[in-house]
Amino acid sequence: QVQLRQSGPGLVQPSQTLSLTCAISGDSVSTTSTAWNWVRQSPSRGLEWLGRTHYKSNFYHDYAISVKSRITVSPDTSKNQFSLQLNSVTPEDTAVYYCTRGYLQGGFDSWGQGTLVTVSS
Amino acid sequence: QSALTQPPSASGSPGQSVTISCTGTSSDVGAYDAVSWYQQHPGKAPKLMIYEVIKRPSGVPDRFSGSKSGNTASLTVSGLQGEDEADYYCSSYTGSNTFLVFGGGTKLTVL
Repeated sequence: QVQLRQSGPGLVQPSQTLSLTCAISGDSVSTTSTAWNWVRQSPSRGLEWLGRTHYKSNFYHDYAISVKSRITVSPDTSKNQFSLQLNSVTPEDTAVYYCTRGYLQGGFDSWGQGTLVTVSS
Repeated sequence: QSALTQPPSASGSPGQSVTISCTGTSSDVGAYDAVSWYQQHPGKAPKLMIYEVIKRPSGVPDRFSGSKSGNTASLTVSGLQGEDEADYYCSSYTGSNTFLVFGGGTKLTVL
C-alpha cells in the first residue's frame, strides 16, 4: 500500500520560495506506470493541479500554465521522494498543498496528508 | 471559475440514488475517457472513487458508478448511506499544457 508523507513549512513570506517534500513508501519515484503530482486546494481557487514528474527512461516534468514560470517539481531517487518549489509566492498561493500519485492521464489514487501553507509576512 | 461545471449541491434520502453531473467541453470531457471522481470529507484529503470514466479502485463500493455522454460525465451513488455525505469533485485530462482540470465540487447531503 502506497503511503505519501509530506513535510515542509506552513508559513512562507511573500516573494519567497515555497518548498515541500513528499516521501514515498510502497512504490518508487522511478516507476514508469504512474506520475507524482502536486495539487493544491483553496476556497477561492478550488482544486488545482500544479505539476508532476514521471519517469520513462528519463524524468519528465509537466506544469500548469498558471504557475509554469514559478514552479519546479524534482524527483530524488536516492531518498525515494519528490519535491515542490514555488517561487515568488503571494497571498494568492495560500492553500492546502497535496502530493499525489496518479495515472498518466489523471486519476490520483494516493494522497499525502496535506500541508496548509500560508503566505504572509 | 472552475473549468468543469458541477452543481453546487445535491441531496437524497438513505437508500435512494443520486446523480452528480460534470460538464466540460469537446477539448476535455468529450475528448478523452479520462474523467475521475473524488470524495472529500471535511478536513481530509480527497479520495479517488472513479477513474477513466467508469473504473472503480479497489475498495470503493460498487454503489458508486460513473458514466459519460458527450461533454458531460456523471457520478451515480446508489443506495445512499450517511457516510456518503461529502463533497464530490470531478476532473478530466485535457491533453494540452493544462493537463488536467477540476470541477468546482458538489456538496452531497444525505437527508
